Amino acid sequence: AQKVTQAQTEISVVEKEDVTLDCVYETRDTTYYLFWYKQPPSGELVFLIRRNSFDEQNEISGRYSWNFQKSTSSFNFTITASQVVDSAVYFCALSEARNYGQNFVFGPGTRLSVLP
Amino acid sequence: KAGVTQTPRYLIKTRGQQVTLSCSPISGHRSVSWYQQTPGQGLQFLFEYFSETQRNKGNFPGRFSGRQFSNSRSEMNVSTLELGDSALYLCASSRTGTSGNEQFFGPGTRLTVL
Repeated sequence: AQKVTQAQTEISVVEKEDVTLDCVYETRDTTYYLFWYKQPPSGELVFLIRRNSFDEQNEISGRYSWNFQKSTSSFNFTITASQVVDSAVYFCALSEARNYGQNFVFGPGTRLSVLP
Repeated sequence: KAGVTQTPRYLIKTRGQQVTLSCSPISGHRSVSWYQQTPGQGLQFLFEYFSETQRNKGNFPGRFSGRQFSNSRSEMNVSTLELGDSALYLCASSRTGTSGNEQFFGPGTRLTVL
């Protein structure tokens, strides 16, 4: 069975602090995809990044970076020098290749509050 | 390029009624998925349509149904509404709908059942 856990329910940081959001997943598939989405107060989920199970290369994009480790089934997300506009709920999601088509399993989300 | 649009944005219904929600995907996207978001259960997959066929289905009762039209627009219907159906219903589209494709989400329809 596929499952995504985000142990941090809520995180509060002060602007300019770095913050890491944790994501742990479970899957029996050898081919799968991991995603991070951001949901600001407006409600619309915004796609941030996708990783496939064969690509453990970590990535940095501006203030965002991602750390994918198959050995620990983790796909963590770090915001460097956080800003108030980063305040949102962040979701990690898993999609197994065996599920032909789209069937994302989302984690419960982590609510990030960045205080000025 | 226009994003995913959903109508209506807000809806208030009473128990026992039925409701139809509409979703227009990004132009050129053939896969449309629906999700229910509630504070207690989080984001849960309802179903996915591709080329007018339901390809995947989540663990929801038969009261929840959907369809997709030849222009890829999709509708979902909930019959005999229950209080627990109050939720944000999100529609997402992707180009080919393969498991590795990112999905692009609409703003959602917030349904309140009284």
